[in-house]
Amino acid sequence: GAVVSQHPSRVICKSGTSVKIECRSLDFQATTMFWYRQFPKQSLMLMATSNEGSKATYEQGVEKDKFLINHASLTLSTLTVTSAHPEDSSFYICSAPERGGPMNTEAFFGQGTRLTVV
Amino acid sequence: AQSVAQPEDQVNVAEGNPLTVKCTYSVSGNPYLFWYVQYPNRGLQFLLKYITGDNLVKGSYGFEAEFNKSKPSFHLKKPSALVSDSALYFCAVRDINSGNTPLVFGKGTRLSVIA
Repeated sequence: GAVVSQHPSRVICKSGTSVKIECRSLDFQATTMFWYRQFPKQSLMLMATSNEGSKATYEQGVEKDKFLINHASLTLSTLTVTSAHPEDSSFYICSAPERGGPMNTEAFFGQGTRLTVV
Repeated sequence: AQSVAQPEDQVNVAEGNPLTVKCTYSVSGNPYLFWYVQYPNRGLQFLLKYITGDNLVKGSYGFEAEFNKSKPSFHLKKPSALVSDSALYFCAVRDINSGNTPLVFGKGTRLSVIA
């Protein structure tokens, strides 16, 4: 079945540095990928929609200059947290619907990335 | 606008007993409904979905859910809970007419199955 791979699973970085998270669709093409953020004991909050070959669409309140999204190919989207601060510490999850699949397909999720900024 | 409500933050059940995790939703049109499970520090795993057809949907690991359009609800159920079912469960919805848009999630319900 379709698989979405997210890397790294855990990262610890110093405040002020940047961190890149990758999301790959392994056996299907994804023109669209979604990036979510999950705070402890809370639901998934959609941050942005990543579109292959065009600019990402950010949800209200999400800083596009801080959370840079690049979707350069049909199988890879990256989220870069720039100048990270402790308040950016969170669990980040990507997902992708299968291209060509029915509109009603379930979304496939990456394993998530636990970011800790110290 | 689409929305999902999971009224319980936590559900506790004894192993072997039936479990129910509640979900209600709101969409302007007809819904696609989903249940996902999340284990600690992991992504979401798909359990089951309702698209059309029978209101009772059977999914992975013995879980099932019943679509009730009149309430409207999509409660997750399992006849006999296992300790390994302990996890965080999310209900999600998409309006059938919303195109390739992201799912809208409930806030999650933590299920604890006690041996």
